[in-house]
Amino acid sequence: SYELNQPPTVSVSPGQTASITCSGDKLGDKYASWYQQRPGQSPVLVIYQDTKRPSGIPERFSGSNSGNTAALTISGTQAMDEADYYCQAWDSRKVVFGGGTKLTVL
Amino acid sequence: EVQLVESGGGLIQPGGSLRLSCAASGFTVSSNYMSWVRQAPGKGLEWVSVIYSGGSTYYADSVKGRFTISTDNSKNTLYLQMNSLRAEDTAVYYCAREPTDFNAFDIWGQGTMVIVSS
Repeated sequence: SYELNQPPTVSVSPGQTASITCSGDKLGDKYASWYQQRPGQSPVLVIYQDTKRPSGIPERFSGSNSGNTAALTISGTQAMDEADYYCQAWDSRKVVFGGGTKLTVL
Repeated sequence: EVQLVESGGGLIQPGGSLRLSCAASGFTVSSNYMSWVRQAPGKGLEWVSVIYSGGSTYYADSVKGRFTISTDNSKNTLYLQMNSLRAEDTAVYYCAREPTDFNAFDIWGQGTMVIVSS
């Protein structure tokens, strides 16, 4: 079965750039999406179709996807960005999520 | 307002059955792909099942043969019938909308908790 791998944790200082990666076999041939989940809340879509931002998502969130790796980049990271982030893709008519990355803003 | 509201969760004994509901407002369930996604306590997101706008259904291997996804278009509601429940099915269950060919879930419900325990 298809797998997506994320680092368990990423740390960043306020105002700096955070990058969270998601790797999977030929992931670049699929669309990758990213979700933010704060404690006790439902997931929120922040990037879809590799690079697109839904309405209401700040411009500091951006995405890329090529080869075997997709990435979520948060520029000028703020304290409110501290959350769990999950990548997601479709494979053979099934949805696959990465294991999640806890972003800590120190 | 576009929203999803889940209900039907609770405490159930192993081997039991439960039906979850997800009421949609502000859009038509049958015009979208609708999924169930679960999250065990302290764990990550796990996709459970999808129903396409054409009615085709697909399941994660972990629930195939035990869970059934369906919709009632007259009530604009998504369902998940869960049979032969196991302790490992304990989780918060979310319903989520994926607009056709969007390849992502743009609307999520607030979740409903299912606890399988004796």
